[in-house]
Amino acid sequence: NAGVTQTPKFQVLKTGQSMTLQCAQDMNHNSMYWYRQDPGMGLRLIYYSASEGTTDKGEVPNGYNVSRLNKREFSLRLESAAPSQTSVYFCASSVQKSTGELFFGEGSRLTVL
Amino acid sequence: DQQVKQNSPSLSVQEGRISILNCDYTNSMFDYFLWYKKYPAEGPTFLISISSIKDKNEDGRFTVFLNKSAKHLSLHIVPSQPGDSAVYFCAASAGAAGNKLTFGGGTRVLVKP
Repeated sequence: NAGVTQTPKFQVLKTGQSMTLQCAQDMNHNSMYWYRQDPGMGLRLIYYSASEGTTDKGEVPNGYNVSRLNKREFSLRLESAAPSQTSVYFCASSVQKSTGELFFGEGSRLTVL
Repeated sequence: DQQVKQNSPSLSVQEGRISILNCDYTNSMFDYFLWYKKYPAEGPTFLISISSIKDKNEDGRFTVFLNKSAKHLSLHIVPSQPGDSAVYFCAASAGAAGNKLTFGGGTRVLVKP
């Protein structure tokens, strides 16, 4: 039972490069999320998709774009990476309008030099 | 301005004793509160939750207390075990916001044998 799978797990970029973080879930969840975790800041919501075909900004969307490719997959794209985007990124999914219980992937550690 | 705060970044406790983790929030619209546990190199996992209509919820060794008037919640772990050593995140959501969770900065717990 894979749950939420993120790729890649590690990535080093140079300032200005672009990349896409991939996320897929096999729990038939409607809602998917991208969070970033920084020391002392907890997890902050970047973008979320309440259901297939919809996406909305979270708390810290600047510098990111997302695509809800289908019900299973939700990707996060950095068009021009900046050092401030060095972080650990977590994808999560949930039943739509549930009690808030999210299922997280293992995380993707991104370093921007 | 963080809406959910965990003022203790770390906590050390002896095995078998009680661990008490605290969390404060400022947004009176929050009506559902959750605790997540995170081990290194893994994604957060759901631990326990509480609705704003309750003041206590218990699940085995874990109990969450909610004081709405003080906008404060706490997680009690009794008895603490070495496997409880992890980072614990407090999170909150507002009904209208669906599953969008706002997280605190986390508390690192170390349970000493």
